Amino acid sequence: EVQLVESGGVVVRPGGSLRLSCVASGFTFHAYFMHWVRQAPEKGLEWVSLINGDGSITHYADSVKGRFTISRDNSKNSLYLQMNSLRGEDSALYYCVKDTTGSPDYWGQGTLVTVSS
Amino acid sequence: DAVMTQSPGSLPVTLGQPAAISCRSSQSLVYSDGNTYLNWFQQRPGQSPRRLIYQVSTRDSGVPDRFSGSGSGTDFTLKISRVEAEDVGVYYCMQGSHWPYTFGPGTKLEIK
Repeated sequence: EVQLVESGGVVVRPGGSLRLSCVASGFTFHAYFMHWVRQAPEKGLEWVSLINGDGSITHYADSVKGRFTISRDNSKNSLYLQMNSLRGEDSALYYCVKDTTGSPDYWGQGTLVTVSS
Repeated sequence: DAVMTQSPGSLPVTLGQPAAISCRSSQSLVYSDGNTYLNWFQQRPGQSPRRLIYQVSTRDSGVPDRFSGSGSGTDFTLKISRVEAEDVGVYYCMQGSHWPYTFGPGTKLEIK
């Protein structure tokens, strides 16, 4: 059974940094692209970032480019999102999502990030 | 960026009746490999999203056959042949043909 467990969400001040983690199980982690997708409270879904299986290719939403960095450690079946220069509009539930057939497929339960002074 | 729009924003439906959600892209979603990466997601209240359909019309495993996807180029439709109570939630289209990937704003389906 595929499992994705996110962690690292906390309350952080504007301008601060945070690293989210996602531990995957139930599938061959290194063989799959992975995404981060976020959802602000009572709002819609926003795609954030993608990384390929070996970590050599990454893509970002315009809203986070230059501030966020996606990475993975296949030896630990783990996905990460380093978030710097955080803003209020980055407050959201962040989902770790497995990719199949070129799109987000299986979603974790999310970890909540709140940016507030 | 490919801007995704959906209509309607809210969709009240009587149980057992059909429903349809439209999704439009500001750019053609035909990718260079010939595929069209248009996906549909369902988010039930209090739950994580679930993918229903990928590449316009292919249902994911376990998705009831009352859900169907169609369309091409820039115009796409998700249809539910007979709405059931468990279909309540928000439906999102998402394109994966152009960077960055983008979601539509969502359509909230409720029972009338």
